[in-house]
Amino acid sequence: GAVVSQHPSWVICKSGTSVKIECRSLDFQATTMFWYRQFPKQSLMLMATSNEGSKATYEQGVEKDKFLINHASLTLSTLTVTSAHPEDSSFYICSATRRLAGGRDIQYFGAGTRLSVL
Amino acid sequence: SQKIEQNSEALNIQEGKTATLTCNYTNYSPAYLQWYRQDPGRGPVFLLLIRENEKEKRKERLKVTFDTTLKQSLFHITASQPADSATYLCALDGEKLTFGTGTRLTIIP
Repeated sequence: GAVVSQHPSWVICKSGTSVKIECRSLDFQATTMFWYRQFPKQSLMLMATSNEGSKATYEQGVEKDKFLINHASLTLSTLTVTSAHPEDSSFYICSATRRLAGGRDIQYFGAGTRLSVL
Repeated sequence: SQKIEQNSEALNIQEGKTATLTCNYTNYSPAYLQWYRQDPGRGPVFLLLIRENEKEKRKERLKVTFDTTLKQSLFHITASQPADSATYLCALDGEKLTFGTGTRLTIIP
């Protein structure tokens, strides 16, 4: 099956610092990657859609200057939380799309990154 | 606005019984519906996809139905095992996936 690696799995940082999260598709090329945020007992909320070689598309209410996304290659997308504050503490999950036979895209998810901002 | 509801936040089922989870949606006509499993502190894992023209799909002990008239999908796990305990998410497929809040399933030995 398709493997998506997300790193780090857990990070603690001081308020005001920036944190970078990496998402890699290990055994397939992903033209599209997605970044989600999940609060406890809540659903995954899409933050942005990342396409290789172009600017990310952000969902309404997500600050693009706060959450910088770079999709430099077909296997790597990064999310940088800039000037993190305690309210940014959450579980961040990336996914990468892979096309199945029959033309349907399936999203394969990383294991997630637990961010705690002190 | 589009709305997805999963019938209960938590569901406890005795081992060996069939667990049935419900996903209802409104103001939407998805061409596909997907089910995922999510373990605590982990990302979701894709389980099954069902198309709007498919009534039912099976994979080992899993069965998914899709009723576009009722705007409902049912997810069944037969012969449930404690290892099936997890949160199960349905997701509507469109330009982007839209997830339900999930049902936390616990299989009691």
